Amino acid sequence: QKEVEQDPGPLSVPEGAIVSLNCTYSNSAFQYFMWYRQYSRKGPELLMYTYSSGNKEDGRFTAQVDKSSKYISLFIRDSQPSDSATYLCAMRRDSGAGSYQLTFGKGTKLSVIP
Amino acid sequence: GAVVSQHPSRVICKSGTSVKIECRSLDFQATTMFWYRQFPKQSLMLMATSNEGSKATYEQGVEKDKFLINHASLTLSTLTVTSAHPEDSSFYICSARDDSYYSEQFFGPGTRLTVL
Repeated sequence: QKEVEQDPGPLSVPEGAIVSLNCTYSNSAFQYFMWYRQYSRKGPELLMYTYSSGNKEDGRFTAQVDKSSKYISLFIRDSQPSDSATYLCAMRRDSGAGSYQLTFGKGTKLSVIP
Repeated sequence: GAVVSQHPSRVICKSGTSVKIECRSLDFQATTMFWYRQFPKQSLMLMATSNEGSKATYEQGVEKDKFLINHASLTLSTLTVTSAHPEDSSFYICSARDDSYYSEQFFGPGTRLTVL
């Protein structure tokens, strides 16, 4: 079993739809959770960063963490064609050797159709 | 926000030559930088962790002598692919950890290497 599982998609939605992206993980040592957006042939861009279980909102984006279920989500409201990209979940441990290293999901390719 | 640059953005070289890729943190100091490799439609694979003033830590399966990493200052790390071969063709991405921002990583735009 991989440490982080993410459905690679592709996911295609109409403009204005609510998008739900998810990752599950198996390592309970993961304490910090991030979502990155990566456009084609570009480096990943940090979108959301969370530590605690619960929701964190930033504009049209909401990150949700459920540590008891080892499940994280990213919701995009009122999706736009410019949101079309690959979304990568990433996570890391709190402390110890290599705690700054990120473990990534495979990424979900999202297309928002006008 | 924190900005990380990479140079060059694209490089094409002949088999057997060496290629150097630079990674710079433009508006913050980075004690730690990371080098990743990404194949088409795949996620990022960590190659090595670069620490300023000390030797890099390589992930299992990554050849130290082939992928030379130097982190000589708090804003610059370099990756040199030595004696490149076609199988080294890939998208190489660096990231830098900003100690002042929750210690999270900010990524460069990537370098596409093609070895003929």
